[in-house]
Amino acid sequence: EIVMTQSPATLSVSPGERATLSCRASQSVSSNLAWYQQKPGQAPRLLIYGASTRATGIPARFSGSGSGTEFTLTISSLQSEDFAVYYCQQYNNWPPKDTFGQGTKLEIK
Amino acid sequence: EVQLLESGGGLVQPGGSLRLSCAASGFTFSSYAMSWVRQAPGKGLEWVSAISGSGGSTYYADSVKGRFTISRDNSKNTLYLQMNSLRAEDTAVYYCAKRIQGVIITGAFDIWGQGTMVTVSS
Repeated sequence: EIVMTQSPATLSVSPGERATLSCRASQSVSSNLAWYQQKPGQAPRLLIYGASTRATGIPARFSGSGSGTEFTLTISSLQSEDFAVYYCQQYNNWPPKDTFGQGTKLEIK
Repeated sequence: EVQLLESGGGLVQPGGSLRLSCAASGFTFSSYAMSWVRQAPGKGLEWVSAISGSGGSTYYADSVKGRFTISRDNSKNTLYLQMNSLRAEDTAVYYCAKRIQGVIITGAFDIWGQGTMVTVSS
């Protein structure tokens, strides 16, 4: 099983500042990685897929980078609505056996 | 509007069974692979099962293999998850989710339902 490890577990950032979230895979997943945002009581929302492609309707302040085993989600200027939990997901396995990271909680500093 | 709506959750005793449904609308259901993903209270996301657009191929997480069965009825635009031999550790919100790239059974999930809660307890 591919293990996804996110860091940090909690990130405290002030509105308007940049946030950088990391995700590491236990083995290469190529660019088969997605990022999701989840707010309390809501379903996850797709932000990034293919490691760096923004999903439909996602603001340009969200960007993804990386390949292989190291990935980064950057939010360039935090807005109030961005404070949430973020998950990475790898979908490189065949047969399918997706795995998610444990999440990074982005909180207001 | 593309939408997924789950139903069928509830309280069940250990060893019991439950069937979840996910009604899809706003897209050509049969053209997309689908999955179930669950989230235990206060925990992260766990992929549970996947099914091809035709329904001919199915895949399961090791934690549910042999106990859960995924299926779909494309004439009704509905996805199902039959859950048998339920355990306390199956307690979670269950989401159905649509793969972003059509018939490709792997990939990101671009559409999620609102989730349905399953509680396994005596």
